[in-house]
Amino acid sequence: DAGVTQSPTHLIKTRGQQVTLRCSPKSGHDTVSWYQQALGQGPQFIFQYYEEEERQRGNFPDRFSGHQFPNYSSELNVNALLLGDSALYLCASSLEGGATTIQYFGAGTRLSVL
Amino acid sequence: AQSVAQPEDQVNVAEGNPLTVKCTYSVSGNPYLFWYVQYPNRGLQFLLKYITGDNLVKGSYGFEAEFNKSQTSFHLKKPSALVSDSALYFCAVRDEENTGFQKLVFGTGTRLLVSP
Repeated sequence: DAGVTQSPTHLIKTRGQQVTLRCSPKSGHDTVSWYQQALGQGPQFIFQYYEEEERQRGNFPDRFSGHQFPNYSSELNVNALLLGDSALYLCASSLEGGATTIQYFGAGTRLSVL
Repeated sequence: AQSVAQPEDQVNVAEGNPLTVKCTYSVSGNPYLFWYVQYPNRGLQFLLKYITGDNLVKGSYGFEAEFNKSQTSFHLKKPSALVSDSALYFCAVRDEENTGFQKLVFGTGTRLLVSP
């Protein structure tokens, strides 16, 4: 049973470019959340997708957008990259419903913006 | 708004000794609390959770955590540390006001270093 998988593992972009990160959830999971982890910090919630819709959003600008596909996989898009967007981007999947729900994380995509 | 604080950037302990990693929380209602561990170049791995019930929660790899409502704390503990426990540990709280959305708020992390 594959866990949460993310691609690519590493990515280098320049300021102003656009980037797409991908996530496949754990088998049987229907909810995907994205987090940004800056160096030396804890993960910060970007947004969550359920039933192909953005359900909740953290304090991130509109440059950050996403999508969820019918097979529950998800993409995170960041436009007009800034140096401050350099971070580890984590995808977490879970099963909708219940306070006991656990989020399972992928290994992340490390984005470097030069 | 909910938040968690991890007051120690780093905890040092000798192998075989007990370890404690501290976490305090702030929520408006009942807390849903989690501990995760992150190894280098890896994602976060779930260790344990507190939702309700027994104040001592047992988790993976011999870890346990003690919930204390009066002190608003959720400290991670292990009776005997291993060198392989060296990693970055994160405490997290779920937004109780929106439990259906599952958003997690994380602390800044505590680096645990276990020496041989």
